[in-house]
Amino acid sequence: AQSVAQPEDQVNVAEGNPLTVKCTYSVSGNPYLFWYVQYPNRGLQFLLKYITGDNLVKGSYGFEAEFNKSQTSFHLKKPSALVSDSALYFCAVSDFSGSARQLTFGSGTQLTVLP
Amino acid sequence: GAGVSQSPSNKVTEKGKDVELRCDPISGHTALYWYRQSLGQGLEFLIYFQGNSAPDKSGLPSDRFSAERTGGSVSTLTIQRTQQEDSAVYLCASSLAATLGDEQFFGPGTRLTVL
Repeated sequence: AQSVAQPEDQVNVAEGNPLTVKCTYSVSGNPYLFWYVQYPNRGLQFLLKYITGDNLVKGSYGFEAEFNKSQTSFHLKKPSALVSDSALYFCAVSDFSGSARQLTFGSGTQLTVLP
Repeated sequence: GAGVSQSPSNKVTEKGKDVELRCDPISGHTALYWYRQSLGQGLEFLIYFQGNSAPDKSGLPSDRFSAERTGGSVSTLTIQRTQQEDSAVYLCASSLAATLGDEQFFGPGTRLTVL
């Protein structure tokens, strides 16, 4: 079975400060990790993914994430937060084993960037 | 190009009625997924289609839920004899080929309210 934990329901950060949204995962095979963002009344938008290779992955809107195998983590980061980054962020994982290809999502973290 | 589209955007129905939700995936995407997003439950996988293969129905919560995909493109999720606990946002996603690491592209969702 695969699972994802996002330990913080809410993260507040001041505009211009660095932000981190935490994610830890559990899979039996090799992890394929994703971050998605959801704006109000919108579907999920893909931000970035880790498949293999460099542990630091860069994605859309200046976001990046660091894969840490020993800590089974995939935290989302941005060096300088914008008010427009305020949204709901989901971490997801799959080991793409078996016949299914679905993602298992974390519970989401609401990011609020304060002006 | 167009993204994943879903219709209707909102659906209000009475308990016991049947509803149909529609998803148009991105052209050329062979994999299609249905998820449900509800308060307190996060994002739950429902069903997955890959090409002409038999769908993975492992996430369907009861036999009141069914889905089909015609011609490898449009998909319809049907909920029979709706219950109040079916109220949620139903999200459809598609990906290119469901190979390892393909990101999923999500539609805006259908908000279902069962009175």
